Amino acid sequence: NAGVMQNPRHLVRRRGQEARLRCSPMKGHSHVYWYRQLPEEGLKFMVYLQKENIIDESGMPKERFSAEFPKEGPSILRIQQVVRGDSAAYFCASSPGGLSFTDTQYFGPGTRLTVL
Amino acid sequence: QKEVEQNSGPLSVPEGAIASLNCTYSDRGSQSFFWYRQYSGKSPELIMSIYSNGDKEDGRFTAQLNKASQYVSLLIRDSQPSDSATYLCASINTGTASKLTFGTGTRLQVTL
Repeated sequence: NAGVMQNPRHLVRRRGQEARLRCSPMKGHSHVYWYRQLPEEGLKFMVYLQKENIIDESGMPKERFSAEFPKEGPSILRIQQVVRGDSAAYFCASSPGGLSFTDTQYFGPGTRLTVL
Repeated sequence: QKEVEQNSGPLSVPEGAIASLNCTYSDRGSQSFFWYRQYSGKSPELIMSIYSNGDKEDGRFTAQLNKASQYVSLLIRDSQPSDSATYLCASINTGTASKLTFGTGTRLQVTL
């Protein structure tokens, strides 16, 4: 299966701990996006990355959140000092690139973060 | 005002009927539109994309776009119980290339 892969699928952290979410894009895709879905809310864009570059981080909270997509390996979304309000489903999507407005994004299975 | 608006539903249709899902958007710079299906506890799954005014058909699904009215719709013919899910409308704005802006979704229930 060459789909978008995310791990872990479920992550439990206590307040103040760090959460690391990983995403491997579909084969042949070089663009990665992170979205967050709070309970009973819609999907919200967080950050858009290409290899070694953050293209758009306009949806990222200013503090505690960071993302990277290194030359080798998966994209990482890192949340430091987690709080209960960070509990959500975090989805990664990937796209092949090309014309931006026709560039279709495919979603991974998500990581469900629970902060105790 | 939300950028992409959908009626949250639930929209209930009998099996075999046509389900009509609607979406409006406020940003005239929106250039492309996507419909995703999301089952409870699962990730969004792409159903269709549409970029030009008019209709686009794929199997039982037809997407309709009217840029003048800033309106997008998804028709599902011969609805099946397996179509019961939340349908998400999303747009991409040329000025914020590649960032999907989602509506909150419409929950569809197909009854036997």
